[in-house]
Amino acid sequence: QSALTQEASVSGTVGQEVTLSCAGNSNNVGSYAVGWYQQISQGAPKTVMIGDSLPSGIPDRFSGSKSGTTASLTISGLQPEDEADYYCSTWDFSLSDWVFGGGTKVTVL
Amino acid sequence: QVQLVQSGAEVKKPGASVRVSCKASGYTFSDFTDYSIHWVRQAPGQGPESMGRINPNTGVRHSARKFQGRVTMTTDTSISTAYMELSGLRSDDTAVYYCGRVDCGGVYCLPVDTWGQGTPVTVST
Repeated sequence: QSALTQEASVSGTVGQEVTLSCAGNSNNVGSYAVGWYQQISQGAPKTVMIGDSLPSGIPDRFSGSKSGTTASLTISGLQPEDEADYYCSTWDFSLSDWVFGGGTKVTVL
Repeated sequence: QVQLVQSGAEVKKPGASVRVSCKASGYTFSDFTDYSIHWVRQAPGQGPESMGRINPNTGVRHSARKFQGRVTMTTDTSISTAYMELSGLRSDDTAVYYCGRVDCGGVYCLPVDTWGQGTPVTVST
């Protein structure tokens, strides 16, 4: 069982806006920056967001936010190449380790 | 650009050890740097799992509780390379092992910003 809770799946049509959530607690999401990783067909992860900062080379249709103990990744204007698994991760103070969510499969209809 | 290149796939028997390397380029690996290397693994069909991290500048390392006693993380700063060795391999250690760069220059370390391509490790008789 993952320390962070993500939706199992989210789907949308091309051009639609979708939002993925990552729920934790005050020891992790509520206190530390959350990273979001895109993984296509079980390939290597690619970081698409750290907190609300967009890494170099990532399209600006990706955005990140946080409210209390839940972080969100929004994809505005969904594209076919966005179809992937997305994982969230952050530091957990009580576990003294990084924790991950179970992942959300994004399907582009 | 920042790049992490890992060693190739490994097949090991139960009880053996495996060492995975991670060569960094495109940034300052050790001298007066705030970047650490984080090791993560992902079993087939599962989500990622943290194994630990090492600071190449100071040599300070932190292993996840699950792997304490079995994992050894080292660096060779002369060739900007980090290593992760896992001993006492079992079948459930079959996974893809990744290294990642983390920025520890602030109050705490940020999530991984750059990943290696992954090293598949298969443990089988």
